[in-house]
Amino acid sequence: EIVVTQSPATLSVSPGERATLSCRASQSVSSNLAWYQQKPGQAPRLLIYGASTRATGIPARFSGSGSETEFTLTISSLQSEDFAVYYCQQYNNWPPLTFGGGTKVEIK
Amino acid sequence: QVQLVESGGGVVQPGGSLRLSCAASGFTFSNYGMHWVRQAPGKGLEWVAFIRYDGSIKHYTDSVRGRFTISRDNSKNTLDMQMNSLRAEDTSVYYCAKFRLERASDGFDIWGQGTMVTVSS
Repeated sequence: EIVVTQSPATLSVSPGERATLSCRASQSVSSNLAWYQQKPGQAPRLLIYGASTRATGIPARFSGSGSETEFTLTISSLQSEDFAVYYCQQYNNWPPLTFGGGTKVEIK
Repeated sequence: QVQLVESGGGVVQPGGSLRLSCAASGFTFSNYGMHWVRQAPGKGLEWVAFIRYDGSIKHYTDSVRGRFTISRDNSKNTLDMQMNSLRAEDTSVYYCAKFRLERASDGFDIWGQGTMVTVSS
């Protein structure tokens, strides 16, 4: 099973600032990694697939990078609606599909 | 529009059973593998089960294998999951979700709104 680890668990950022979230896989997943945003009481929303491709309708301030085992989600200038929990997920080698534990982005 | 709508959640005693359903619309259901993903209260996301677009292949996470059964009816555009021998640790919101791509692994681009399952005496 591929273990996916996210850091930090919580990130405190001021509106307008840049946020950088990390995701690490226990073995190579190539570029088969997705990022999701989840707000309280809502289903997750796909932000990034293929490690770096924005999903339909996702603003350009969200960008993904990385390959193999190290990945990053960057939010270039945080807006109020971006405060949420973010998950990464690998789909390179499954079952099982595995998610990271999440990073909560909170207002500083 | 593209939509997944779950139903069937509720409160059940340990050892009991529940059947979840997911109604799909707005896309060619029979072309997509479908999944169940769950989220315990205050916790992260956990993949539960998968069924291939034609129903010929099924996968489960270890903790539910032998207790849960995923199935689909492509003529009705519905996905089901029969959950037996339920345990307290199965308490979660259950989401159905589809891969972005037909017949290929990818991110989950469409999720249902979720249905809550509570296992408690």
